Amino acid sequence: IQMTQSPSSVSASVGDRVTITCRASQVISIWLAWYQQKPGKAPKLLVSAASTLQSGVPSRFSGSGSGTDFTLTISGLQPEDFATYYCQQANSFPFTFGPGTKVDL
Amino acid sequence: QVHLMESGGGLVKPGGSLRLSCAASGFTFSDYYMAWIRQAPGKGLEWVSYISGTSSYINYADSVRGRFTISRDNAKNSLYLQMDSLRTEDTAVYYCVRDSTPTAYADHWGQGTLVTVSS
Repeated sequence: IQMTQSPSSVSASVGDRVTITCRASQVISIWLAWYQQKPGKAPKLLVSAASTLQSGVPSRFSGSGSGTDFTLTISGLQPEDFATYYCQQANSFPFTFGPGTKVDL
Repeated sequence: QVHLMESGGGLVKPGGSLRLSCAASGFTFSDYYMAWIRQAPGKGLEWVSYISGTSSYINYADSVRGRFTISRDNAKNSLYLQMDSLRTEDTAVYYCVRDSTPTAYADHWGQGTLVTVSS
């Protein structure tokens, strides 16, 4: 299953609303995760099952979608949110990732 | 809390071998699928291999099948990746991850270990 993301990068300011889109090449139901990665660090799981926020993840993050089209929205961007975001399908092995979306200032 | 610590990375020549280890703590290791995910320098993420709690289910990405072997020792709370016939394109940071069994999300990650394949 191929995963695509758009945009590949986005420039934003603190307080902005940012939306990242992920598309799967075939139907994956809700089996999608979103990860955040900061430079030099391991990725961190933010959202599973398309819309379930992980414990400790701020409520300004939200995920939605099903089938082939998904979105991650950050409402009210904070300085610590500048990072690269990846989607990942968990429908079938190999569990593939999108190419990433870099959110920078 | 969950802690994963990789070791064994380093510089190896093409065609060589390397064995990565991951020490796990803070959870019942045998209850969880585990996996290795890698990231080439400046690139995206690739799910390399996957093993069930009892080792009854194992799978590999096509890019490493036949060259890499994943295994685990539940008595030692440890995960391993034996990498043979290494290629320059295997150069990456390798992460040990816990899978959110029964769903395939990487809910905890180690800090990663760098494998460099170069002559």
